[in-house]
Amino acid sequence: DTEVTQTPKHLVMGMTNKKSLKCEQHMGHRAMYWYKQKAKKPPELMFVYSYEKLSINESVPSRFSPECPNSSLLNLHLHALQPEDSALYLCASSQVEGSTGELFFGEGSRLTVL
Amino acid sequence: RKEVEQDPGPFNVPEGATVAFNCTYSNSASQSFFWYRQDCRKEPKLLMSVYSSGNEDGRFTAQLNRASQYISLLIRDSKLSDSATYLCVVNIGDAGNNRKLIWGLGTSLAVNP
Repeated sequence: DTEVTQTPKHLVMGMTNKKSLKCEQHMGHRAMYWYKQKAKKPPELMFVYSYEKLSINESVPSRFSPECPNSSLLNLHLHALQPEDSALYLCASSQVEGSTGELFFGEGSRLTVL
Repeated sequence: RKEVEQDPGPFNVPEGATVAFNCTYSNSASQSFFWYRQDCRKEPKLLMSVYSSGNEDGRFTAQLNRASQYISLLIRDSKLSDSATYLCVVNIGDAGNNRKLIWGLGTSLAVNP
């Protein structure tokens, strides 16, 4: 059982919709991540939060907007997405940013944009 | 040259076989190394960290060769449940800030009855 929980597991949205993905961890980790993964590709880093502050934005389009309300929660707000944004969105956490490669992933939110 | 390279496979092996995967990395300043496992339509999970002295966990052995800049994963006595994609991950950059994880494309393993 994963200790990082993501909701929803599946999401279908139109290009004009606004939706949010949610992630929660209770391991006391101070770094949280959003990754995007397309089929047969490795995860691709989008954002890193360290101690609740945005640390890395990998030049992600502004239609993706991350938010870290507290040390346990991470959201990804979606607006005006394109069909090519359809992918598995993975949340992960680690004890601190950058110290190791030991990430704990949630099961992901599978997004389809119509 | 890609920063982290893996043979995508697929590797098809019978149950009980021994199989080995290699992963090469281009940045000689790479600090730490990992193997993750990802089952179909599931999230990646850390399988093993790879230490300079090599390490073993049951049927799995990981080794690092800094001179040749590659890491390896050996799976002995393969089980059907070992079927998955194995992702090589390298942590590059200097100590403290600016470390970055680079993911290989993954090696697909299918263990057949």
